[in-house]
Amino acid sequence: SAVISQKPSRDICQRGTSLTIQCQVDSQVTMMFWYRQQPGQSLTLIATANQGSEATYESGFVIDKFPISRPNLTFSTLTVSNMSPEDSSIYLCSVDHSNKPYGYTFGSGTRLTVV
Amino acid sequence: GENVEQHPSTLSVQEGDSAVIKCTYSDSASNYFPWYKQELGKGPQLIIDIRSNVGEKKDQRIAVTLNKTAKHFSLHITETQPEDSAVYFCAASIVDYKLSFGAGTTVTVRA
Repeated sequence: SAVISQKPSRDICQRGTSLTIQCQVDSQVTMMFWYRQQPGQSLTLIATANQGSEATYESGFVIDKFPISRPNLTFSTLTVSNMSPEDSSIYLCSVDHSNKPYGYTFGSGTRLTVV
Repeated sequence: GENVEQHPSTLSVQEGDSAVIKCTYSDSASNYFPWYKQELGKGPQLIIDIRSNVGEKKDQRIAVTLNKTAKHFSLHITETQPEDSAVYFCAASIVDYKLSFGAGTTVTVRA
């Protein structure tokens, strides 16, 4: 399975600032996804990061708040913009396996605290 | 969209006993049902999955069953061990690859 490196692993940020989270995969993957996991909650899909085109956002998430880049098949970034305490969550990168459709692997996550 | 419900929210079992977690889904078009285990401070790890053309799948102490007619699927862990303590999530997917997750079950195995 793919190995995902996600950085930073955790951060404490001031409200009103922005944080960019990086996701690096050790092999080329077709699809990359960004999830949010609020404290003690389940995983909610933020968007699908598309290589060479704009990300596809889920209902309730917008590009201005969560801009995403996908410059190639092994790397993506998620930015959490103009942060508020409500953005305190774990943000997770996930990828598919090109030879095993639907078999998603998750990174270890970025634990974000906004103060 | 797909709605996945998961029960129970917490489960405490004695070491060596079995644990069962149940999920229901709403979209009859869903055809893929993975289960993830999440340990503290880590991302979810796929432990087993099942597709809609199969009714049951087993991998050592873990098994998953699927009832498409009733739209529910279950995770069975036998001979539980302390290292099975974690949060378990079920999920369902339709063909556009989007996973919808259940709310999670916190499993505690008592030694």
